[in-house]
Amino acid sequence: DAGVIQSPRHEVTEMGQEVTLRCKPISGHNSLFWYRQTMMRGLELLIYFNNNVPIDDSGMPEDRFSAKMPNASFSTLKIQPSEPRDSAVYFCASSATVGGPQHFGDGTRLSIL
Amino acid sequence: KQEVTQIPAALSVPEGENLVLNCSFTDSAIYNLQWFRQDPGKGLTSLLLIQSSQREQTSGRLNASLDKSSGRSTLYIAASQPGDSATYLCAALDSNYQLIWGAGTKLIIKP
Repeated sequence: DAGVIQSPRHEVTEMGQEVTLRCKPISGHNSLFWYRQTMMRGLELLIYFNNNVPIDDSGMPEDRFSAKMPNASFSTLKIQPSEPRDSAVYFCASSATVGGPQHFGDGTRLSIL
Repeated sequence: KQEVTQIPAALSVPEGENLVLNCSFTDSAIYNLQWFRQDPGKGLTSLLLIQSSQREQTSGRLNASLDKSSGRSTLYIAASQPGDSATYLCAALDSNYQLIWGAGTKLIIKP
């Protein structure tokens, strides 16, 4: 079975550019999570969806970040405009139920120059 | 506010030893406690999930325990192997259904 699929694996772009990260959750999972991981702050939950509906976006750093889940098999995290401090590894995870084991993608390593 | 702490931050042991990784949390109002493994450049892999009503869970050479009253969980790894080398993270599912993460323990098993 395919796991959580994220793209791209790596993204390097200049400050000010728009960045879009993509995630395909495991089929049948109804909860989707976006995390950011840095050395300084560890893993931080940015936002999570349940049945395609955003439930809690209190972890989204600021208005430059937005996330959508137009259907059960796809989600995007967008940063516009990007800044160097956004450089991190961004993970997407899905679970069959909101409190169940989360399955992670391999992440997108984002570098903003 | 829930806080999760893992000690030690790093651990290096010879192959074959049994070892214990520690996780503590400040608020006992959790739904479950989860242990994950992260390999370099990879995402996290779920290892064990202990419901708040449970005391322990086992999977192969791994055993995780949970003591809500003391705010502690341990991950026991028996007969460690070099392939066990990774960073191990624990996370507590809080009353808002959010995972609160520890900073992880980086484990190195020396051949």
